[in-house]
This record gives sequence, C-alpha cells and structure tokens, in this order.
Amino acid sequence: GAVVSQHPSRVICKSGTSVKIECRSLDFQATTMFWYRQFPKQSLMLMATSNEGSKATYEQGVEKDKFLINHASLTLSTLTVTSAHPEDSSFYICSARDFRLTGAFLTDTQYFGPGTRLTVL
Amino acid sequence: QKEVEQNSGPLSVPEGAIASLNCTYSDRGSQSFFWYRQYSGKSPELIMSIYSNGDKEDGRFTAQLNKASQYVSLLIRDSQPSDSATYLCAVFDGTASKLTFGTGTRLQVTL
Repeated sequence: GAVVSQHPSRVICKSGTSVKIECRSLDFQATTMFWYRQFPKQSLMLMATSNEGSKATYEQGVEKDKFLINHASLTLSTLTVTSAHPEDSSFYICSARDFRLTGAFLTDTQYFGPGTRLTVL
Repeated sequence: QKEVEQNSGPLSVPEGAIASLNCTYSDRGSQSFFWYRQYSGKSPELIMSIYSNGDKEDGRFTAQLNKASQYVSLLIRDSQPSDSATYLCAVFDGTASKLTFGTGTRLQVTL
C-alpha cells in the first residue's frame, strides 16, 4: 500500500506555544488529506479536510483559527495547533487520499500516517 | 446523518478460530467500503477495501459486502494473538468526499 509519514511522532510543549505537524504522502500525490484527532479510548474524530491549493474544510465545532491547515503541495499538508493548551493534548493523525486507476478499476483509498502524540504542559 | 454501526465488543475468539466482524451502514448510495485495524496507541492501518457485492479474499482476511442489506463484514481465519486490535469499518461518503467510520470492534484472540 501507499505510505504516509508524519513528523514529529511525539511532541511536548508548554501551554501557549504553537506546534506544527507535517503530513507527507511519500509515493503518491494526494490532492486531499485529512486531519483527525483521537483521545484515549475514543473514536477517530475528523477535524478537517485539506485540499491542495485551496482552503481547508473544517468539521463543525473545530476552530479554524486555532487549527491552521496548509496544503501547499501535492505531497505535504501541515497542521499548526496555535496557542496550545492542555486540553489540546491528543493523538493527531493525518490521512491521504490515493485516487488511482489500477488496471480497469478506479480505486479511492485513504492511507493513514503513524500519528503525532501531542502533550501540552 | 450518515451512520456506520459496529458492535464495540470485545469480541473474544480462541487462537486458530474464525473471527467475524460486522458492520451496517445507513447510506444506500455508498459504493466504497474499508476495514482498518488499529492497535492501541497506533494509527489505523488499511486491511481491506471492497467495492462490489460478494466476497473478497486477501490471505487470512475475507471482506463480504451485501449492498441490498447495507452490510459489510470481515472474516479473519486462523486468528492469531497478533490480530488482537480494534477493527474499524469505514464507508466512503461520496457527497461529502470523506470516510465515515464506525466506532470500532475490539477483538481479543486468546491463547
């Protein structure tokens, strides 16, 4: 399958600082990437859809000014958590949409990055 | 609200047995279906995708899709302790261009 990387894998920061997380599709181009958040023992929660060259689409209840998303190229999307607070501590996971023609079949598959564990002190 | 339903479990099966994981979805127009495996503390990993009615086999895994009944399942043959994880069913919402996930079924394979 396709490979998606995330950096950093783990970050600890002080309250009030901003943290940038990178998501890269390594062996395919992704016009669409997604950012999720997952709290312990809870389900994945979609935060926003990141589209290359255009503004991200945020899910209801997600503050776009707090979670800045930039998708400047077909292989890179970044999520910046601005003025992070302890309640922002979570597991942030990106995924990239791989849309390709395989033989006679058109497949549309999402592959996840390994995630970034954010701890805000 | 488009929904994907899974039994949260835990589903406990002995080593070597067949594990059967089930999922129902509400959007009759859905065309793409996926099973992801998520180990504790890790991100989801794609196991199977299925787009047509019937069975699709890949190694020890078989995905089954019945669009008339709005039902998709995952069978794991010869279950191993390393299969113990949460299995997420996901359905692609073509209108919103995003996946809708079930809450996941936790599978425990016992020795």
